[in-house]
Amino acid sequence: GENVEQHPSTLSVQEGDSAVIKCTYSDSASNYFPWYKQELGKGPQLIIDIRSNVGEKKDQRIAVTLNKTAKHFSLHITETQPEDSAVYFCAASTGYSTLTFGKGTMLLVSP
Amino acid sequence: GAVVSQHPSWVICKSGTSVKIECRSLDFQATTMFWYRQFPKQSLMLMATSNEGSKATYEQGVEKDKFLINHASLTLSTLTVTSAHPEDSSFYICSARPGANVLTFGAGSRLTVL
Repeated sequence: GENVEQHPSTLSVQEGDSAVIKCTYSDSASNYFPWYKQELGKGPQLIIDIRSNVGEKKDQRIAVTLNKTAKHFSLHITETQPEDSAVYFCAASTGYSTLTFGKGTMLLVSP
Repeated sequence: GAVVSQHPSWVICKSGTSVKIECRSLDFQATTMFWYRQFPKQSLMLMATSNEGSKATYEQGVEKDKFLINHASLTLSTLTVTSAHPEDSSFYICSARPGANVLTFGAGSRLTVL
């Protein structure tokens, strides 16, 4: 089955800095890669996703890059703000298969 | 956008009692819903896939008789934790797919068993 590794487990940055979270996956058939943000005591919320036919996708301060050859994808957050503090999960899936999640990254943005 | 509603958001019960958690897709139909369990500071663990009109599919290691799942309609799935014990205390989250691939999560239900 699919295996998703996520690094780092914790990330502390100063407000305004950029944050990068990286994930690798094992199943070359995976073609959908979402990122979720989970605030304390809440369910995960989809913040951005990318499909295998695209190498990069941006949405304001958030961007995701995908390298299918190397089987890794990354989340980039620019100009971080304290409200970006949360746990971020990457995931991978094939078509309608269930998502396999990474272990999560706790991002702390200090004012 | 697509919304998945989960109720209750938190529940406290005595050991030995049963607790039901509801998951509803508010503006779309979901023939399949997914139930996850999350321990503090850990990732989401898929417990089972709920199928409308048929039996749920449980992941390895998940007790079917402990975690009863019913998918009674295209917009409602329920998870019943039977004879709950303190070790069942956890954060339970449901999800559904409003479209291809995309998975939308509910807000989660915090269960505390005393």
